[in-house]
Amino acid sequence: QVQLQESGPGLVKPSETLSLTCTVSGGSVSSGSYYWSWIRQPPGKGLEWIGYIYYSGSTNYNPSLKSRVTISVDTSKNQFSLKLSSVTAADTAVYYCARDTYTAFDPWGQGTLVTVSS
Amino acid sequence: QSVLTQPPSVSGAPGQRVTISCTGSSSNIGAGYDVHWYQQLPGTAPKLLIYGNSNRPSGVPDRFSGSKSGTSASLAITGLQAEDEADYYCQSYDSSLSVYVFGTGTKVTVL
Repeated sequence: QVQLQESGPGLVKPSETLSLTCTVSGGSVSSGSYYWSWIRQPPGKGLEWIGYIYYSGSTNYNPSLKSRVTISVDTSKNQFSLKLSSVTAADTAVYYCARDTYTAFDPWGQGTLVTVSS
Repeated sequence: QSVLTQPPSVSGAPGQRVTISCTGSSSNIGAGYDVHWYQQLPGTAPKLLIYGNSNRPSGVPDRFSGSKSGTSASLAITGLQAEDEADYYCQSYDSSLSVYVFGTGTKVTVL
């Protein structure tokens, strides 16, 4: 079965760029049947969709974050990545990667907490 | 942006039936977009519970059921068990915002 695993720094300074990678195992990011999404959850709060990428490289971002977000894919490594620039404390959250079945998210990675603090 | 509204909490005794509502609008649920439900156990990632309004993925007990009508959807849990204590989120797509949207989340407590 497909499994996803997030990785990256757990602490980022304000105004810097948050960078995370999601490694996919048991399946291929090159599958044309799925998008690959990033979703975040601030501590004690709800879920917010950040954006998705297709294996071809086409992307779709949440308009509220679009100016700061870049999602890329590396099919040779079976990974996709998230970059969020100019971070503030409001970007502190657990960041999840998930397979996007064109409508629902399944499965999800275990999540990684990123704290924005100096 | 949580444009799907859920009750903050619901509770029930073991064996009882509880329902969670998810209220949207004409640009999301009312526009015909599917509703999906996720279960988030404490300290874990969300897990798909119901997809396409009323379908259960393999392995999800039939105690969980979903429905949709108009601009709202509901998740029902029958025969409530202690292991069902979790946060539950609905999710759909909003055409006016052009984003996938999640509900505000509901905490289910088993008394």
